[in-house]
Amino acid sequence: GAGVSQSPSNKVTEKGKDVELRCDPISGHTALYWYRQSLGQGLEFLIYFQGNSAPDKSGLPSDRFSAERTGGSVSTLTIQRTQQEDSAVYLCASSLTVRGSSGGDTQYFGPGTRLTVL
Amino acid sequence: GQSLEQPSEVTAVEGAIVQINCTYQTSGFYGLSWYQQHDGGAPTFLSYNALDGLEETGRFSSFLSRSDSYGYLLLQELQMKDSASYFCAVRGVYTGGFKTIFGAGTRLFVKA
Repeated sequence: GAGVSQSPSNKVTEKGKDVELRCDPISGHTALYWYRQSLGQGLEFLIYFQGNSAPDKSGLPSDRFSAERTGGSVSTLTIQRTQQEDSAVYLCASSLTVRGSSGGDTQYFGPGTRLTVL
Repeated sequence: GQSLEQPSEVTAVEGAIVQINCTYQTSGFYGLSWYQQHDGGAPTFLSYNALDGLEETGRFSSFLSRSDSYGYLLLQELQMKDSASYFCAVRGVYTGGFKTIFGAGTRLFVKA
């Protein structure tokens, strides 16, 4: 596609429910990132995919968070048993970066999913 | 460990020049990038420096000094639409390979 797309754009859920957030990266981009951003705050790194594998899951805040990527394309971030502190904008980004490349890593961001946990 | 520091807020007047600094600490260094984010929008890429010196792109310039682990974003002829948050990001070597880490962002307010 022309850009990174994310769905849904907004999600309101009740505490304790599970949610799935979807990211469609730019076609051909090998690297995919998930970030979380609370209101007025910076970007909190969650997880990074190179192809279908996730070499770095260090940012996942708890075992309630998981992510997968299939076919080197679409990724899903799942949050189980949501808590109010999970409320934030979840941003996905993709880049052309090749595994092991020491070059630049220009990331193209999607519009984000605003998650509200009541 | 790895960290980035940038000012939390900067205020300037329309037409002026403003410089946003970024200092970093990283394992290995493979480039400093800058991103702009307007309220309610997604971050968008502005510039990338891999080598020392100044990179110019229109009204925006970015500078890097690897020996000082320091860079800055320079915005000239400020316009109201430049009011946004600006993030520096460093690509380094971490567990699992290469990774880009973002700073907390600098909120720029442009006044008339």
